[in-house]
Amino acid sequence: DAGVTQSPTHLIKTRGQQVTLRCSPKSGHDTVSWYQQALGQGPQFIFQYYEEEERQRGNFPDRFSGHQFPNYSSELNVNALLLGDSALYLCASSLVGEEKLFFGSGTQLSVL
Amino acid sequence: AQRVTQPEKLLSVFKGAPVELKCNYSYSGSPELFWYVQYSRQRLQLLLRHISRESIKGFTADLNKGETSFHLKKPFAQEEDSAMYYCALRINSGYSTLTFGKGTMLLVSP
Repeated sequence: DAGVTQSPTHLIKTRGQQVTLRCSPKSGHDTVSWYQQALGQGPQFIFQYYEEEERQRGNFPDRFSGHQFPNYSSELNVNALLLGDSALYLCASSLVGEEKLFFGSGTQLSVL
Repeated sequence: AQRVTQPEKLLSVFKGAPVELKCNYSYSGSPELFWYVQYSRQRLQLLLRHISRESIKGFTADLNKGETSFHLKKPFAQEEDSAMYYCALRINSGYSTLTFGKGTMLLVSP
């Protein structure tokens, strides 16, 4: 089991562009959460998907949206990129209701 | 809103010395607390959860509701303990969403 996989590992975009990040959960997991980790900060919760629906959402603007597919994989989309969106984006998977999260290695997004 | 505070960005100790990584939280209800760890070039992973009251790799953490703290302790630090440690809080049982602190880098020197 490869665990949680994320792609791409690195991405460079310019302000105003749109980006899509992808995540495949650990085998057997049905819930995917996305976190943003700015430099020097802890991960900050963006949203969580379960049964293809957004279950919970953190304090992020509507520019951040997501999707979960029937195979439980997920995408994070960010529109109208700002310089402040530069961060490491982490995907974490779990079984619904379970407390233990399994994290991917992240996608490092740089917005120029 | 809930908050997790880790007052130290860096904690540097010598091998064999005791370690205490501090974590304080603010939440009026009954929280669930966790410690996550990230070793160099590895993924963030769960180290401890307060509800299981376990000792992992010699680390323990006790939830003190009176002081709203969940400090991580180890009596004798090892070089392989060097890593980034994050304290995290969950407030909605049934949802696995976490609020993280900013993290403390533990550096254990020989």
